[in-house]
Amino acid sequence: RKEVEQDPGPFNVPEGATVAFNCTYSNSASQSFFWYRQDCRKEPKLLMSVYSSGNEDGRFTAQLNRASQYISLLIRDSKLSDSATYLCAVNAGSARQLTFGSGTQLTVLP
Amino acid sequence: EADIYQTPRYLVIGTGKKITLECSQTMGHDKMYWYQQDPGMELHLIHYSYGVNSTEKGDLSSESTVSRIRTEHFPLTLESARPSHTSQYLCASSDPTQESYYGYTFGSGTRLTVV
Repeated sequence: RKEVEQDPGPFNVPEGATVAFNCTYSNSASQSFFWYRQDCRKEPKLLMSVYSSGNEDGRFTAQLNRASQYISLLIRDSKLSDSATYLCAVNAGSARQLTFGSGTQLTVLP
Repeated sequence: EADIYQTPRYLVIGTGKKITLECSQTMGHDKMYWYQQDPGMELHLIHYSYGVNSTEKGDLSSESTVSRIRTEHFPLTLESARPSHTSQYLCASSDPTQESYYGYTFGSGTRLTVV
């Protein structure tokens, strides 16, 4: 079983839709959680960190469920510019490296 | 805007050539990483460093080597390039004291094609 697993998609949604991605992790000692956005042929860029109590940044909401070992990303009112691949990343501690999921591809359609 | 720089951005080279991909960061980060990523595929960690004179191999076996003689510089070398090395190589860095908040910062990558 992979340490970090994501639904690969693709997710094709109309503009204005709400879309949610999940990412499961296997190491219960995981401490840090992130969502990255990667545009085609570009580098990943940090979208948001995920905090225990959940956090929101504009149209984006991230949540952590430690009991079920998953994090989620909710995008409201999708824009064409949200089209990208969304990677989750999990760190089991400062002595470990971030483990990235394989990404979920999102296409927002006009 | 970028504080981590990779050169060259694109490289097309013949089989058997020696190449060095450069990565430099101005953030004073102790930790640096090299990832390999094929189009539409996941990131694979090939090397990492926790500081000067520290280098380790990552999860994905790679024929490349790295060095870390200065904090800001983490070059990756392929002694003899082969077509199987064709891929995108991404460098990243992190501050271990802030990693839980900011994760890794990536460079813009080097797209390598070996012909």
